[in-house]
Amino acid sequence: GENVEQHPSTLSVQEGDSAVIKCTYSDSASNYFPWYKQELGKRPQLIIDIRSNVGEKKDQRIAVTLNKTAKHFSLHITETQPEDSAVYFCAASMETGNQFYFGTGTSLTVIP
Amino acid sequence: DAGVIQSPRHEVTEMGQEVTLRCKPISGHDYLFWYRQTMMRGLELLIYFNNNVPIDDSGMPEDRFSAKMPNASFSTLKIQPSEPRDSAVYFCASSLAAGNQPQHFGDGTRLSIL
Repeated sequence: GENVEQHPSTLSVQEGDSAVIKCTYSDSASNYFPWYKQELGKRPQLIIDIRSNVGEKKDQRIAVTLNKTAKHFSLHITETQPEDSAVYFCAASMETGNQFYFGTGTSLTVIP
Repeated sequence: DAGVIQSPRHEVTEMGQEVTLRCKPISGHDYLFWYRQTMMRGLELLIYFNNNVPIDDSGMPEDRFSAKMPNASFSTLKIQPSEPRDSAVYFCASSLAAGNQPQHFGDGTRLSIL
């Protein structure tokens, strides 16, 4: 089955700096890659996603890049703010089944 | 849309008791997923349904766990008998059927088994 690895497990940045979280996947059949943000005590919420026919997608301060050849994708957060502090999960999914394979999460702390 | 609704939000019970967690998916969503989240193991998929039919229950830890989806708007996850190691946050999520679609999570049930 699919195996998703996520790095780093923890990340601390100064407010205003950029943060990058990286994920790799193993199955070339995966073609959908969502990112979720989970604040303490809350539910995971989708923040951005990308499909395999696209190399990059942006939404304000958040961007995701995908390298299908290398089987990795990354989340980029620019101009970080304290409210960006949360755990971020990447996931990979294939066309069949709609099952998500989640990474182990990255705890991001933005220091004011 | 009210989103995915789970109940109860918190459950504290003694070891050996039966626990039933409930989920109402978003109307029109054909897929329903049950996850367990712990610090040690992260987000684990327990089981998922498509059109009320269980598709993959390989993540269900053992026979003490069972899940049902009697209709398109309701699902239960039952633990009987419960054990302290079952303590976790249990999330329900739902998604549309058409191709790969985002999963929408409920607020979760925080379960503590004493």
